Amino acid sequence: AQKITQTQPGMFVQEKEAVTLDCTYDTSDPSYGLFWYKQPSSGEMIFLIYQGSYDQQNATEGRYSLNFQKARKSANLVISASQLGDSAMYFCAMREPDSNYQLIWGAGTKLIIKP
Amino acid sequence: DSGVTQTPKHLITATGQRVTLRCSPRSGDLSVYWYQQSLDQGLQFLIQYYNGEERAKGNILERFSAQQFPDLHSELNLSSLELGDSALYFCASSLDAYYGYTFGSGTRLTVV
Repeated sequence: AQKITQTQPGMFVQEKEAVTLDCTYDTSDPSYGLFWYKQPSSGEMIFLIYQGSYDQQNATEGRYSLNFQKARKSANLVISASQLGDSAMYFCAMREPDSNYQLIWGAGTKLIIKP
Repeated sequence: DSGVTQTPKHLITATGQRVTLRCSPRSGDLSVYWYQQSLDQGLQFLIQYYNGEERAKGNILERFSAQQFPDLHSELNLSSLELGDSALYFCASSLDAYYGYTFGSGTRLTVV
């Protein structure tokens, strides 16, 4: 079974609109971490945001926030007021003890922001 | 600059050849991870080293090998290259992966 599922292979969004990128995960361990990375067309992998399973509040970093719904095993990335520079691939990843603290990666969502 | 240095940035080589990709981790990080990303694909984990020792192995071909040296830099060796080995190869580093990885900018390998 997939441990990290990103159901949206691609998305088109109008500039300035908010974007939600979906990520669901599967783990039986109570201690885990969830990450989002951005990969623009230039290729580098950029860390965006982290959410720990015991964190009481949803993580936020500037225009990025993580909508963490633990019971639903969902960790959606929300980008507010999207910009053309947000066009990129976005990857969700999970760290759990069972995987020897390896990051387990989703397949990614390609986001294109339209002017 | 993420602090993880990968060289070279681009590499073009012929089938059958051997190449070495180099990675210097961020200062203080003990773990180095190697990933392969083929065109428009996700990340495929190859191998992890921690403080000089192999810690985990992913889908790494027998033609590929890696090592981490005492100064913690790492090298990924790719031999008997095939066209299908053309990809972006990432190195990432972490202290203990608890808070994720820091990635280098990648080496884009093209096999012709």
